[in-house]
Amino acid sequence: EAGVAQSPRYKIIEKRQSVAFWCNPISGHATLYWYQQILGQGPKLLIQFQNNGVVDDSQLPKDRFSAERLKGVDSTLKIQPAKLEDSAVYLCASRISGGTEAFFGQGTRLTVV
Amino acid sequence: GQQLNQSPQSMFIQEGEDVSMNCTSSSIFNTWLWYKQDPGEGPVLLIALYKAGELTSNGRLTAQFGITRKDSFLNISASIPSDVGIYFCAGLFDSGSRLTFGEGTQLTVNP
Repeated sequence: EAGVAQSPRYKIIEKRQSVAFWCNPISGHATLYWYQQILGQGPKLLIQFQNNGVVDDSQLPKDRFSAERLKGVDSTLKIQPAKLEDSAVYLCASRISGGTEAFFGQGTRLTVV
Repeated sequence: GQQLNQSPQSMFIQEGEDVSMNCTSSSIFNTWLWYKQDPGEGPVLLIALYKAGELTSNGRLTAQFGITRKDSFLNISASIPSDVGIYFCAGLFDSGSRLTFGEGTQLTVNP
């Protein structure tokens, strides 16, 4: 079974530029998460989807971050415009509906200079 | 919001030693998960716990779901160099709720 796929693996941008990350969850997993992991810290939830609906986006900085999962499968996370403090690893995870075990992709390491 | 306190923050041990780490929460969870993260990789699920008091093993790893449902423990026996990494606990109240992570325990194993 294929795991959670994320791209790109690495991205370097200048502050005030825009960036987008892509995630393809495990087939059949209805729940999809985006986490931000700053170096030396645990993952922090940005947004949680159930199919194509948002379940929890209370910690998403909505002035600059947006995410969508239009067809309930893959998802994109966008930052516009980026700030230096957005430098982090962005992790996508998925979980089967009704299940409790979440599986992670390799992450996208973003560096904002 | 929910907070998970994980300790210790870091550990330096000799190969062959046993390791213990724990996680405490300000609120109850109904599922505890333990993950390991290697550099440049996403977290990998090690053990899942579903019931208060439950003790579950996965090879040299043993984890326990605390009776109060506010804590969990992970033990690694006879550590080896490939155990090096960051170990995270994560808690979930129900299948529709947020999966909350601790800050991690960085484990270093000296050969």
